[in-house]
Amino acid sequence: AQKITQTQPGMFVQEKEAVTLDCTYDTSDPSYGLFWYKQPSSGEMIFLIYQGSYDQQNATEGRYSLNFQKARKSANLVISASQLGDSAMYFCAMREGNGGYNKLIFGAGTRLAVHP
Amino acid sequence: NAGVMQNPRHLVRRRGQEARLRCSPMKGHSHVYWYRQLPEEGLKFMVYLQKENIIDESGMPKERFSAEFPKEGPSILRIQQVVRGDSAAYFCASSARRTESQKNIQYFGAGTRLSVL
Repeated sequence: AQKITQTQPGMFVQEKEAVTLDCTYDTSDPSYGLFWYKQPSSGEMIFLIYQGSYDQQNATEGRYSLNFQKARKSANLVISASQLGDSAMYFCAMREGNGGYNKLIFGAGTRLAVHP
Repeated sequence: NAGVMQNPRHLVRRRGQEARLRCSPMKGHSHVYWYRQLPEEGLKFMVYLQKENIIDESGMPKERFSAEFPKEGPSILRIQQVVRGDSAAYFCASSARRTESQKNIQYFGAGTRLSVL
C-alpha cells in the first residue's frame, strides 16, 4: 500500500493566486513527521515545511502553510501569492517514529506551473 | 554556512565500471542518508549512516552497492560494475544529532546524476 499519495501529477496556477497541493499518508505509528520539499528544474531538493503528528497547530513558513487534517490523514501544502519561481516539482514525505532518524518515504510528486 | 555538498554533480560511466559518489554533510551533522531518484519519480531511501556505522541499509540493493561514512572525510556511495538501470539521480541528506525536537529535518545536497552508457 502507498504510504504517501500525491494524486495531482500536475497543477497550474495563475501568478499571485493561491494553490493547494494534495498529500495523503498512511501509517499506524502515532508519532510521525510530514515534510514538503521543492525540486526546481535545476534538480536540488529544498526543504519547505514540517508538521509533527503531535503539533497542535498547522505549520506555516512564509508563503507556505500546511493544512494538516490528522483524522483524514492529509497534509496539503498551500502556497499563497504564487510567484513564477514557484514553478517546480513538489514532494510530500513522511518519517515514521520518533527520534528523527528514520528514513523519509516520498510521494511521486506534483509538478506545479505558475503562469504569468 | 555550507550546506550538504555532493560531488560530482554529473558522472558518466560505461557498463562494468565503478561509480563513487561523495557526500559531505552540513557542519555539525553526524547523520547521513542516501536516496535514489529515477526519472519522474519520488526519492527512494537507500541507506542511513552515522560516523563509521551503517544504521539502516534496508533500501540498498544486495549486490554491487555499498556505502561508508568514515571517521574522517565524506560519506561514499559506491556502485560496482554499473549497469544501465543504475542511471539515476543520487541524493545525500544530513541531519543533526538527536534533540528534544521531533523535527530532525533532513537537508539535501544537489545530487549526483549518474549516466551509464
